Amino acid sequence: GNSVTQMEGPVTLSEEAFLTINCTYTATGYPSLFWYVQYPGEGLQLLLKATKADDKGSNKGFEATYRKETTSFHLEKGSVQVSDSAVYFCALRYGGATNKLIFGTGTLLAVQP
Amino acid sequence: GAVVSQHPSWVICKSGTSVKIECRSLDFQATTMFWYRQFPKQSLMLMATSNEGSKATYEQGVEKDKFLINHASLTLSTLTVTSAHPEDSSFYICSAREASGRIGELFFGEGSRLTVL
Repeated sequence: GNSVTQMEGPVTLSEEAFLTINCTYTATGYPSLFWYVQYPGEGLQLLLKATKADDKGSNKGFEATYRKETTSFHLEKGSVQVSDSAVYFCALRYGGATNKLIFGTGTLLAVQP
Repeated sequence: GAVVSQHPSWVICKSGTSVKIECRSLDFQATTMFWYRQFPKQSLMLMATSNEGSKATYEQGVEKDKFLINHASLTLSTLTVTSAHPEDSSFYICSAREASGRIGELFFGEGSRLTVL
């Protein structure tokens, strides 16, 4: 079946450090892939997405590349800020025209000044 | 971005009572809303898909009579946990897709934490 696996947290980094949060997926067909972010006290927000192999999604300095050969969609940022502290969810969309999403378990990122 | 609001954000109830959680799209019309459940340190599990004016579609293993979903208008969906028991304690999250929204772009509520004593 379809599933998403992401690295467990929490991830604790100092400001300006490089961030990688790993995400791998299992899916039939060709899913779209997403990263959502949840800031403290807020709902999930779409951070970036990629709809086909080799696409790179990017937003707010974050990037992730859809790697079909490794079934991965790792999230990266070159220099994190305290304001990036949040929970990050990797997700895939399946089911044709529906918006059904399968989420990973979420990774808590804590950035210290 | 579009705003989805859930109410209440947290609720404590006695075992055997029913609890209603509301999900509202504040500045857009949502033809489809989704209800998720999240256990500690686990991913969001889709419970059901709610379409305005029709019956909800439940995921396998989700009890329809236990989790009643109503989507009576384009801006409101409700989840009622009937005869709640401690094992129903969880974090419930709704999301909504705008009527003209692009595939994959969902807007999420803040979540509602239910604790059943």
